[in-house]
Amino acid sequence: EVQLLESGGDLVQPGGSLRLSCAASGFTFSSHAMTWVRQAPGKGLEWVSTIRSSGDNTYYADSVKGRFTISRDNSKNTLYLQMNSLRAEDTAVYYCAKDLRSTVIYWGQGTLVTVSS
Amino acid sequence: DVVMTQSPLSLPVTLGQPASISCRSSQSLVHSDGNTYLNWFQQRPGQSPRRLIYKVSNRDSGVPDRFSGSGSGTDFTLKISRVEAEDVGLYYCMQGTHWPQTFGQGTRLEFK
Repeated sequence: EVQLLESGGDLVQPGGSLRLSCAASGFTFSSHAMTWVRQAPGKGLEWVSTIRSSGDNTYYADSVKGRFTISRDNSKNTLYLQMNSLRAEDTAVYYCAKDLRSTVIYWGQGTLVTVSS
Repeated sequence: DVVMTQSPLSLPVTLGQPASISCRSSQSLVHSDGNTYLNWFQQRPGQSPRRLIYKVSNRDSGVPDRFSGSGSGTDFTLKISRVEAEDVGLYYCMQGTHWPQTFGQGTRLEFK
């Protein structure tokens, strides 16, 4: 059974940092690009970042560029999102997903990040 | 960035009747590899998003055949042939051709 399990969401103060993790199982994680998508409360979906299978290429939304870093550990089948200089507008449920371009995708249940003082 | 514009943003429907959502992109979504990476997602209330359609017109596994996608270049459409109760929710188009990848604003499908 395929699983994508996000963790690491929490309440953090503005300017703070947080690292999200996404543990993958049930498919060949190292062969696929992975993506983070977020959804602010009551708002639409926003693509955040994608990393290629080898980790060599990464892509970011303008809204997070320079503050967030996507990475992966293929030996642990885990995707990460390091979030620094957090702002109130980063408050959202963060989902990890297998390459949204591919024929078959998987999507996690999400983890909530709240940025507030 | 490629802007994805959906219409309508709210779609009142009648059970058993057809429904249609339009999605327009600010640039052609034809990739250099020849594919057009246009997805449609459904998000039911309180649930994670689920992809319905990939590469314009391909249904994901388990998606009922009452859902269909069409279009090319910059104009795309999601059609539901006969709306059922479980179809209530938000629908998003999303382009994966250009970086950054971008979503439409979402269309809320609700019953009259």
